[in-house]
Amino acid sequence: RKEVEQDPGPFNVPEGATVAFNCTYSNSASQSFFWYRQDCRKEPKLLMSVYSSGNEDGRFTAQLNRASQYISLLIRDSKLSDSATYLCVVSTAGAQKLVFGQGTRLTINP
Amino acid sequence: GAGVSQTPSNKVTEKGKYVELRCDPISGHTALYWYRQSLGQGPEFLIYFQGTGAADDSGLPNDRFFAVRPEGSVSTLKIQRTERGDSAVYLCASSLGGPQMGQYFGPGTRLLVL
Repeated sequence: RKEVEQDPGPFNVPEGATVAFNCTYSNSASQSFFWYRQDCRKEPKLLMSVYSSGNEDGRFTAQLNRASQYISLLIRDSKLSDSATYLCVVSTAGAQKLVFGQGTRLTINP
Repeated sequence: GAGVSQTPSNKVTEKGKYVELRCDPISGHTALYWYRQSLGQGPEFLIYFQGTGAADDSGLPNDRFFAVRPEGSVSTLKIQRTERGDSAVYLCASSLGGPQMGQYFGPGTRLLVL
């Protein structure tokens, strides 16, 4: 079983729609949580960190449920430029490495 | 300022050959990481340097893989006796501190072993 599991998609949604992704992690010692975005044939870029209380950055909202070991990302009013692969990422206390999920591919259609 | 740079951007080699991949981190970043990404998968951790020393090399798949960072800045990932299964994008990242500070990735080196 992978340490971080995501639905690979693809998700195809119309522009302006709201879309949500989820991921689950298996290591209960995980302490830091992130969403990274990766465009086709480009490097991953940090989209946002995920905090226990949930956090928002513009149209993006991230939630963490430690009891269920579940992370979510909500994108409101989606734009064509949101088309990318979204990677769920965790890190364990005391470890510096990032553990990535497989990624969820999103395409926003005009 | 300049981001993480990696050279070469593409490398084609034959099975059994030796390759070196270079990473130049963001100036002042003491932490440097190597990851490998296969098609359709997320990046997988290989090795982490804090300064000149490899603090965690638990992700290196076998002893054909080796990495150095002799002066605490530029790092080189070395792969001996390459195999077709080594074909992937090799990503380097750097950060100022722990993962909560964000890791900044370079554009990667696409390695193809024929």
